[in-house]
Amino acid sequence: EAGVAQSPRYKIIEKRQSVAFWCNPISGHATLYWYQQILGQGPKLLIQFQNNGVVDDSQLPKDRFSAERLKGVDSTLKIQPAKLEDSAVYLCASSFGGEAEAFFGQGTRLTVV
Amino acid sequence: AQSVTQLDSQVPVFEEAPVELRCNYSSSVSVYLFWYVQYPNQGLQLLLKYLSGSTLVKGINGFEAEFNKSQTSFHLRKPSVHISDTAEYFCAVRGSYIPTFGRGTSLIVHP
Repeated sequence: EAGVAQSPRYKIIEKRQSVAFWCNPISGHATLYWYQQILGQGPKLLIQFQNNGVVDDSQLPKDRFSAERLKGVDSTLKIQPAKLEDSAVYLCASSFGGEAEAFFGQGTRLTVV
Repeated sequence: AQSVTQLDSQVPVFEEAPVELRCNYSSSVSVYLFWYVQYPNQGLQLLLKYLSGSTLVKGINGFEAEFNKSQTSFHLRKPSVHISDTAEYFCAVRGSYIPTFGRGTSLIVHP
């Protein structure tokens, strides 16, 4: 069974530039999560989708971050404009449902300079 | 609200010795509890989970954890560690609120 796919693996951008991350969840998983993991900290949930609807985005900095999950499958997370403090690993995860085990992708390491 | 506290940021241990990684949580509702492992430059992999039933949960790679409701703890244990267990370990809780992770414990196994 294929796992959660994320791209790119690494990205370096200058502050005030924009960037987008892509996630393809495990086939059949209705729930998709985006997490931000800053160095030395645990993952922090940014947004949770159930199919193509948003379940929770209370911790998403909406002035600069946006995410969508068109057709309830793939998802993209965008940052515009990026700040230095956005440097982190962005993890995508998926699960069958909100209470089921979540499977994580390898993440995208973003460095903002 | 809910929170997770991992009491040790780093735990050094010799190979074949036992280890315990501590996790305490707070929540006003019933929770599900998880332990994940993260190897360098990798995503998180589920070690074990507590949803209900027996408070002693066995996971992969010889790890186990015990849910203690009165002490609001979910400590992770392994009777004999291997060099390959060197990694970052995260405790996580979910209930009616969004999933919450601890800051992580770095397990360092020395030969």
